[in-house]
Amino acid sequence: SAVISQKPSRDICQRGTSLTIQCQVDSQVTMMFWYRQQPGQSLTLIATANQGSEATYESGFVIDKFPISRPNLTFSTLTVSNMSPEDSSIYLCSVELADTYEQYFGPGTRLTVT
Amino acid sequence: GQNIDQPTEMTATEGAIVQINCTYQTSGFNGLFWYQQHAGEAPTFLSYNVLDGLEEKGRFSSFLSRSKGYSYLLLKELQMKDSASYLCAVRDGDFNKFYFGSGTKLNVKP
Repeated sequence: SAVISQKPSRDICQRGTSLTIQCQVDSQVTMMFWYRQQPGQSLTLIATANQGSEATYESGFVIDKFPISRPNLTFSTLTVSNMSPEDSSIYLCSVELADTYEQYFGPGTRLTVT
Repeated sequence: GQNIDQPTEMTATEGAIVQINCTYQTSGFNGLFWYQQHAGEAPTFLSYNVLDGLEEKGRFSSFLSRSKGYSYLLLKELQMKDSASYLCAVRDGDFNKFYFGSGTKLNVKP
């Protein structure tokens, strides 16, 4: 398995501001993902964080709104830009272990935008 | 595209057996996964199937039929702590991504 930490665990932000969420893994992994989970809903994939190249975004998500960095194989950041109340959600990073395809999740960042 | 369906909610009694079904339509199938998520917590990995058949892990078993686009998660000897949401996810091998169903909320009653 993998141990994943996220910072911050929660935050309350004002509309129009930006928040950067950090994800740290205790081992080198190839695949890292960012998800959003709104209250009572399932997980929606935002993007795949690629090391050394631009992230791959899912339909409905764009780089200007959710810029992602992946400087190495153990770390990634997701920024939620120009926030509005609709961005209030839990944001989770996850990693996929090579050879097993098992995916493990960080504890999540609970974001509230007022 | 991906289409993953599972029941919204189920109720079962402590000590009983419950089966949670998942049907999917997807391209590039490369495995079906089950996750458990307690309220306010991150999902935790339970099991996965790549080939047809039954995989057993203690009180939890998962079954897959690729030709039918169908899987189920079987929970035996239910305990109160099994009350949680259970998420079915499909791995798309073409794009190395996971797509999640909407989740089944399981309520275990005494």
